[in-house]
Amino acid sequence: GNSVTQMEGPVTLSEEAFLTINCTYTATGYPSLFWYVQYPGEGLQLLLKATKADDKGSNKGFEATYRKETTSFHLEKGSVQVSDSAVYFCALSYGGSNYKLTFGKGTLLTVNP
Amino acid sequence: NAGVMQNPRHLVRRRGQEARLRCSPMKGHSHVYWYRQLPEEGLKFMVYLQKENIIDESGMPKERFSAEFPKEGPSILRIQQVVRGDSAAYFCASSDREGTRGYEQYFGPGTRLTVT
Repeated sequence: GNSVTQMEGPVTLSEEAFLTINCTYTATGYPSLFWYVQYPGEGLQLLLKATKADDKGSNKGFEATYRKETTSFHLEKGSVQVSDSAVYFCALSYGGSNYKLTFGKGTLLTVNP
Repeated sequence: NAGVMQNPRHLVRRRGQEARLRCSPMKGHSHVYWYRQLPEEGLKFMVYLQKENIIDESGMPKERFSAEFPKEGPSILRIQQVVRGDSAAYFCASSDREGTRGYEQYFGPGTRLTVT
């Protein structure tokens, strides 16, 4: 079946540091890929997405590129801020039931001033 | 513009009791999805509902769990005779159309169920 594996946390960085959170997936065919972010006390919000190979999703300074050859969708940001502290979830959807999101376990990011 | 509302945010039940979790979708949304996050796991799809219809319940445990989305009022996820293994965070999402390609699912803050 489909699955998502993402980097174990927690990740702690200083403000303005470079961020990478790794995400790899297993799926037959070509899934759509997503990153969701959950701020403390809130619901998950879609951060960015990519629906086909080599697409780059970007939003709020975050980027991720859909790499079919390595089945990866790593999240990156060049300079993190304290306000980026949150839990980040990688997810995919696929096929005829593309409303079903399959999530990774989440990575807690803490950014210190 | 209120987002997806879930209540209660925290729910404690003793083994054998019933748990009722409520989800009010975003205004104008008629598609609701429930996900469960067990400790140390990712969110897992449970069920997809439209008004008065269950579209896909393939992720629901076969016994004790049921879901509804009536014509009026919130969607309800009901767990009968709860056991300790039901302790988890339950998230609801809604969308204005089916699917995730272009139709974003908006998530609520979740209900954290603890079974003692």
